[in-house]
Amino acid sequence: DGGITQSPKYLFRKEGQNVTLSCEQNLNHDAMYWYRQDPGQGLRLIYYSQIVNDFQKGDIAEGYSVSREKKESFPLTVTSAQKNPTAFYLCASRNPGTGRLGYTFGSGTRLTVV
Amino acid sequence: KNEVEQSPQNLTAQEGEFITINCSYSVGISALHWLQQHPGGGIVSLFMLSSGKKKHGRLIATINIQEKHSSLHITASHPRDSAVYICAVLNYGGSQGNLIFGKGTKLSVKP
Repeated sequence: DGGITQSPKYLFRKEGQNVTLSCEQNLNHDAMYWYRQDPGQGLRLIYYSQIVNDFQKGDIAEGYSVSREKKESFPLTVTSAQKNPTAFYLCASRNPGTGRLGYTFGSGTRLTVV
Repeated sequence: KNEVEQSPQNLTAQEGEFITINCSYSVGISALHWLQQHPGGGIVSLFMLSSGKKKHGRLIATINIQEKHSSLHITASHPRDSAVYICAVLNYGGSQGNLIFGKGTKLSVKP
């Protein structure tokens, strides 16, 4: 079955280290998104990509970086410049080219800085 | 003021009760999503609405575009319905296709 795979599910990082979160989809979706979720807040957009080799900053991009070298993959790097990286990170995808508005979500990665 | 407001924030119900969760939004939208997030964190899309009403099993979602309001109903609630329910809207004309999320409603159904 098609879907989005995020790995790892739980991740611990020492302060000052960069860490990369994986997001892979086999849905042939053009657009992919990274969201951050904090307790008591709605999900906020970090970065998005509508096509391979192109991506755009979202509302809270500072301290994060992404790449989109392949259609299936949209990894997110949390850099040491991110002041408060402990959060739940969610990847999503959709296929705007088909006119369908439905999204598919991954199961998320919970990052804890220790 | 948030562009997407949900109420209530927390809801506790007894098994079998009829549940309503509300979502109001202040922007023009192309579509509205109802999502379910279980304690593990993964999100499942329940409904996508642009008008009217949809039903899936014990879940019913309605939307009133003129009033900018949507409701999610759960009939004959069950403890397995316990989760966070999130309303998200796709901003009309938004080229990015980005969703604007509510903060969620935490539902706990007691046996």
